Amino acid sequence: KNQVEQSPQSLIILEGKNCTLQCNYTVSPFSNLRWYKQDTGRGPVSLTIMTFSENTKSNGRYTATLDADTKQSSLHITASQLSDSASYICVVSGHYAGGTSYGKLTFGQGTILTVHP
Amino acid sequence: SAVISQKPSRDICQRGTSLTIQCQVDSQVTMMFWYRQQPGQSLTLIATANQGSEATYESGFVIDKFPISRPNLTFSTLTVSNMSPEDSSIYLCSVAGRRNTEAFFGQGTRLTVV
Repeated sequence: KNQVEQSPQSLIILEGKNCTLQCNYTVSPFSNLRWYKQDTGRGPVSLTIMTFSENTKSNGRYTATLDADTKQSSLHITASQLSDSASYICVVSGHYAGGTSYGKLTFGQGTILTVHP
Repeated sequence: SAVISQKPSRDICQRGTSLTIQCQVDSQVTMMFWYRQQPGQSLTLIATANQGSEATYESGFVIDKFPISRPNLTFSTLTVSNMSPEDSSIYLCSVAGRRNTEAFFGQGTRLTVV
């Protein structure tokens, strides 16, 4: 069964500090792994997308890593800001489903990050 | 990228009634997706809506409970029928980007059933 597990479930840090969120997956076959940020009351917004051959990808203060051998990914947030408070969701896309160009997505349960001043 | 507008953004409904959620995309897309996000849970795919054909429902979701319309390539609706408090969730509309490299989401509809 395809699964995506994230840790920790929640995290509280002080503004300016760094943090790392973890994602382990068992999705097969694998197409790509994405990290999304979901603010309260909003839909998820993409932060990074990585394919099998990519080990790391950055988007501003967000850096994602991918180890396709161990099926692990991490999202590192540098110099956190109050606006980083949100749920961070790891999403893995499998290969094309049903002859379409769209791969079925498997969502992690998310890590709720709270940044305190 | 795609911009998705979802309406309503939130609603409080009486049990036994139905609510129709609208999703408008700023570009033509082949497939649109409806997700449910229960409190503290991850997103769960309800169904995939293709224009000109019936929606494809995931295990645990049925058309009688969640009828979907897809009249054209930029619009879809999801109806939550005969609601109960267990239907209280966030419902999200999504479209896929080109080459399966992206997914775009609406802002969600927060439904509370009392």
